[in-house]
Amino acid sequence: KNQVEQSPQSLIILEGKNCTLQCNYTVSPFSNLRWYKQDTGRGPVSLTIMTFSENTKSNGRYTATLDADTKQSSLHITASQLSDSASYICVVSPFSNDYKLSFGAGTTVTVRA
Amino acid sequence: EAGVTQFPSHSVIEKGQTVTLRCDPISGHDNLYWYRRVMGKEIKFLLHFVKESKQDESGMPNNRFLAERTGGTYSTLKVQPAELEDSGVYFCASTMGQTYSGANVLTFGAGSRLTVL
Repeated sequence: KNQVEQSPQSLIILEGKNCTLQCNYTVSPFSNLRWYKQDTGRGPVSLTIMTFSENTKSNGRYTATLDADTKQSSLHITASQLSDSASYICVVSPFSNDYKLSFGAGTTVTVRA
Repeated sequence: EAGVTQFPSHSVIEKGQTVTLRCDPISGHDNLYWYRRVMGKEIKFLLHFVKESKQDESGMPNNRFLAERTGGTYSTLKVQPAELEDSGVYFCASTMGQTYSGANVLTFGAGSRLTVL
């Protein structure tokens, strides 16, 4: 069983609307949790990074939250744009070997005009 | 600054053949990592180089996979002989420092898609 589970698997939203993606993890102890955006045919690009002591982090219209007690994170996209269409991947870095990242399967977001 | 470059972007080979994937990390990045995503599943760690040395290759699936980084610059990942289950996208990433922290952003390449028929 994957240590990082994401939901939903995919979603479709209209341009201008908001959406929230979920990430549940079991990696423990962990060093940090990142959200990556992966456009089709491109490598993942980091959006936000949070350590276990942080609750929220924003990057423009992207806001990530973290609840280390319940081991849950969310990524909120505000006022979506067509360019937000991509796969969003939750990545957890363990404390011991921080390059052995645990990746979620990703949520595919499609923004339609 | 040039990013992480991977070649080829897509390779289609038959079962039993050999394929070599190449990764050029960001100049000056001592740490190079290989990951892969197979069958639409999550991305998984394969191995980690520090300069030319293999720091951790615990994620390599079997001895059909051989990674090298001669001279500590670019790296190659050879699959010989390729099997159907090797199909997927192979990502390379690099960082300057040895610890993956907020100060050392992990930069990914676009990936090499491997299709084994």
